[in-house]
Amino acid sequence: ETGVTQTPRHLVMGMTNKKSLKCEQHLGHNAMYWYKQSAKKPLELMFVYNFKEQTENNSVPSRFSPECPNSSHLFLHLHTLQPEDSALYLCASSHLDGSGANVLTFGAGSRLTVL
Amino acid sequence: GQNIDQPTEMTATEGAIVQINCTYQTSGFNGLFWYQQHAGEAPTFLSYNVLDGLEEKGRFSSFLSRSKGYSYLLLKELQMKDSASYLCASMDSNYQLIWGAGTKLIIKP
Repeated sequence: ETGVTQTPRHLVMGMTNKKSLKCEQHLGHNAMYWYKQSAKKPLELMFVYNFKEQTENNSVPSRFSPECPNSSHLFLHLHTLQPEDSALYLCASSHLDGSGANVLTFGAGSRLTVL
Repeated sequence: GQNIDQPTEMTATEGAIVQINCTYQTSGFNGLFWYQQHAGEAPTFLSYNVLDGLEEKGRFSSFLSRSKGYSYLLLKELQMKDSASYLCASMDSNYQLIWGAGTKLIIKP
């Protein structure tokens, strides 16, 4: 365990379903992230929350909706997804203080398959 | 534009040494990271370089040349458990990470 826990680890959903991914960190970090990881592609940053405020939204389609109720929890709500959204979704956290190294601690990911 | 290049796959022999290269081009530069990711697991932090030179940490070392936009990860005395993907990432002027696609390292007995 890395200190960042993601559930579920595996999810299969149809294009009309609504589901949510959950992430929880117990590291006292102030920033949390959602990344998409597809085979043989670089990690794609989707959302960043810093002190519960969303600071980055890299043109992610509206069918992905993040929620950060507090600095320890992060959700990714999914609805009307497309097959090309099938990927590993990684959550990460870090302590952002503007001093330099922004070391991310990742969860093990949620493997999503859209049928 | 921003770009990170690293080889897709490498193969090495148990007990040997392997060097994984990474070249980067980003908007501003605040350091270079290496992460290790075993199949089905979370990426884990290996190293961070912001100054030129070699940083050694046990069997793993990381090198940075800022003038050349170049880094490498050196793994010595390879073990089977070192089979994993190695991710290179450059931190830009906004302290956000720009990632390479990762290098899959296969260790053979």
